[in-house]
Amino acid sequence: GAVVSQHPSRVICKSGTSVKIECRSLDFQATTMFWYRQFPKKSLMLMATSNEGSKATYEQGVEKDKFLINHASLTLSTLTVTSAHPEDSSFYICSARDMEEQETQYFGPGTRLLVL
Amino acid sequence: AQSVTQLDSHVSVSEGTPVLLRCNYSSSYSPSLFWYVQHPNKGLQLLLKYTSAATLVKGINGFEAEFKKSETSFHLTKPSAHMSDAAEYFCVVIYSGGYQKVTFGIGTKLQVIP
Repeated sequence: GAVVSQHPSRVICKSGTSVKIECRSLDFQATTMFWYRQFPKKSLMLMATSNEGSKATYEQGVEKDKFLINHASLTLSTLTVTSAHPEDSSFYICSARDMEEQETQYFGPGTRLLVL
Repeated sequence: AQSVTQLDSHVSVSEGTPVLLRCNYSSSYSPSLFWYVQHPNKGLQLLLKYTSAATLVKGINGFEAEFKKSETSFHLTKPSAHMSDAAEYFCVVIYSGGYQKVTFGIGTKLQVIP
């Protein structure tokens, strides 16, 4: 149980285009999902907390207009990187918090984004 | 304030020998503590967690960790390393006081030598 999926696993796009990444909790409901960014050989940086049915809470320094987050249902959150630049290239990981198990976050496999 | 310190950025052990990955934390309140493992180009997998129940926690793949409040530590151990244990390990502190605050350690890269 407690499986989180991400799609796509890898994406290459041109500079200036937008990319959508999906995060799904497959076998549990998640009122809260989290989006992280991981730079090479670095730890995870929390970008935002996504709450079902309400606006996401962004961490300091993260541009909300550039990283659009939508949490439309209890099993799906999406992150859209708008007008992507090469510096947005990174490994993006989502996690979901099980409603029945509040402290634990389950992580998706990550999405490797490369902006040319 | 909440922080996590993983004392070693890189640990190298021989296959079959014990593994010790150290983690110290500071938190104003009783936290929940986790260890996650990340294999190259993969997401994070939960190894084990402490959430105020038994202080000695057993996880998957033979790993275990002991919560020591007096030492503010949550070190990860395994009696005998396997080649497949080579990965990055993250110690994570989560405080759930209304707004859930998550703090990651910088990670420890475990190398297993055949």
